[in-house]
Amino acid sequence: SYVLTQPPSVSVAPGQTASISCGGNNIGTKSVHWYQQRPGQAPVLVVYGDSARPAGIPARFSGSHSGNTATLIISGAEAGDEADYYCQVWDSSSDLRLFGGGTQLTVL
Amino acid sequence: EVQLVETGGGLIQPGGSLRISCAASGFSITNNFMNWVRQAPGKGLEWVSILYSGGATYYADSVKGRFTVSRDNSKNTFYLQMNTLRAEDTAVYYCAREIVPSITVRYFDYWGQGTLVTVSS
Repeated sequence: SYVLTQPPSVSVAPGQTASISCGGNNIGTKSVHWYQQRPGQAPVLVVYGDSARPAGIPARFSGSHSGNTATLIISGAEAGDEADYYCQVWDSSSDLRLFGGGTQLTVL
Repeated sequence: EVQLVETGGGLIQPGGSLRISCAASGFSITNNFMNWVRQAPGKGLEWVSILYSGGATYYADSVKGRFTVSRDNSKNTFYLQMNTLRAEDTAVYYCAREIVPSITVRYFDYWGQGTLVTVSS
């Protein structure tokens, strides 16, 4: 079955840029979405369709997509960005919704 | 305003059954794709099932044959019937609305706050 691979953790200094990767075989052929989950809260969509932002999500959040890797980019990281981040795709061949294992972002 | 509110979680013995609910407001579940996603304690997100607007259903292999999704249109409520529960089904269960803006793009735009199901003797 299709597998999405994320690093378990990423650290970034305040004000710097954090990049969180999501690897998958030919992921470039799929539409990738990203969710933020703060401790004790439900996930929140931050990027959809590889690089689009829902209303209310700061422009600091962006996405890119190339080859076998999709990337969530958080520019000017803030303490409030500390959370777990999950990538997600829809596998049309199996009609399954798949999540990456999640990445814990630390801003320090 | 779109809202999803899950209820019905609790402590259940292995082998038991439980039905959890997701009450929707601000939109009609009849015209949308509704999903259940779960998260075991300290673990990542795992997709569980989908109920399409037309009534078709699909399940993750881990729950196939044990879990069933359904809806009550008059109550605008979506359900997950869980049978033959196992310890590994212990998780927070979220309902989520799926949006399909194009033929290849599907994502979850709204999530409930989740309900905890604990399977233990």
